[in-house]
Amino acid sequence: GAGVSQSPSNKVTEKGKDVELRCDPISGHTALYWYRQRLGQGLEFLIYFQGNSAPDKSGLPSDRFSAERTGESVSTLTIQRTQQEDSAVYLCASSSLGGSYNEQFFGPGTRLTVL
Amino acid sequence: AQSVTQLGSHVSVSEGALVLLRCNYSSSVPPYLFWYVQYPNQGLQLLLKYTSAATLVKGINGFEAEFKKSETSFHLTKPSAHMSDAAEYFCAVRTGGGNKLTFGTGTQLKVEL
Repeated sequence: GAGVSQSPSNKVTEKGKDVELRCDPISGHTALYWYRQRLGQGLEFLIYFQGNSAPDKSGLPSDRFSAERTGESVSTLTIQRTQQEDSAVYLCASSSLGGSYNEQFFGPGTRLTVL
Repeated sequence: AQSVTQLGSHVSVSEGALVLLRCNYSSSVPPYLFWYVQYPNQGLQLLLKYTSAATLVKGINGFEAEFKKSETSFHLTKPSAHMSDAAEYFCAVRTGGGNKLTFGTGTQLKVEL
């Protein structure tokens, strides 16, 4: 596609439920990143994929958070047993590491609200 | 560890006035620095980047930023603000392997008539 796409755009869930957030990167981009943006705060790095492997998971806040990537394309971020503090906009970005110094292209985000 | 600090979470300017958004960085290695803009209900868009070439970097929409090593700064400027510049602006530094970015907390720019 022309850009990074994410789905759903909005997700409202009840505390304790699991959620899955999807990211479709730009075709051919080998690197994929997940960030979280909580209200009034900057973006927090969550996880980075190079191909289908994740060499850097240092930003995942707890073991309730996991992510996978398949076919060097789509990625899914899963949050188990959601808590109210998980409410945030989850942003995905992709980049071509052989290109221009890590220009990351961002999707529009998924706004997650945990009631 | 690399980090960035953005001074001023909210900046308000009059249309036609100078825009100055401040960013200071901390890095143990020569940094790669970025400014991103986020318009309401949209994803982040790259404005400009510094990658150790020219210290004065020109970006889209008339914005530019100057890398000053002595001041560890990378402030964003625009000579004349336009209403359409109202958005949130984030400074970021490339952090370690994998090219992940560490972002500042953002500056909300308001442009008034």
